[in-house]
Amino acid sequence: GNSVTQMEGPVTLSEEAFLTINCTYTATGYPSLFWYVQYPGEGLQLLLKATKADDKGSNKGFEATYRKETTSFHLEKGSVQVSDSAVYFCALSEDAGKSTFGDGTTLTVKP
Amino acid sequence: GAVVSQHPSWVICKSGTSVKIECRSLDFQATTMFWYRQFPKQSLMLMATSNEGSKATYEQGVEKDKFLINHASLTLSTLTVTSAHPEDSSFYICSASGQISNQPQHFGDGTRLSIL
Repeated sequence: GNSVTQMEGPVTLSEEAFLTINCTYTATGYPSLFWYVQYPGEGLQLLLKATKADDKGSNKGFEATYRKETTSFHLEKGSVQVSDSAVYFCALSEDAGKSTFGDGTTLTVKP
Repeated sequence: GAVVSQHPSWVICKSGTSVKIECRSLDFQATTMFWYRQFPKQSLMLMATSNEGSKATYEQGVEKDKFLINHASLTLSTLTVTSAHPEDSSFYICSASGQISNQPQHFGDGTRLSIL
């Protein structure tokens, strides 16, 4: 079956530091890949996505590249802000809408 | 972007009562809706998948009679927690997707359920 493995947290960074959150996946076919963000007490919001190999998803300074050869979709941001503090979920989808989520990585950015 | 409204956002009730949570897609037709449960500092656990006009598909270990799901229209799904007990206290999140496969899900803001 499908699975998503995320870098364990929590991750604590200083403002303006470089962020990487690793994500690898296993899938039987050719999934679409997503990063979602969850702020405290809220649901999940789509951060970015990539639908095929070598696609790069980007949004709000975050980027992730769909690497088929390494089955990875690592999330990066060059300079994090305090407002980026949240839980980040990597996910894949093959069937219509049904997604497999990683365990989430909690990011705390300190001023 | 697509919007999913979940209501209520917070419920506190006595043990033994039933609680209904609504999930509405506001600007698109949601052929499929998903219900998740999330424990503190943990990932989302898929409880069930509901398709409009048909019975929900429950994940292994989820009690169908405990968590009743109805998806009567393309814009509304409901989750009813029947005879709730303290162990049912959790954060419940719904999501919706349209007819195109491999598209992201659109999530509601979640419902925090506390059973006293």
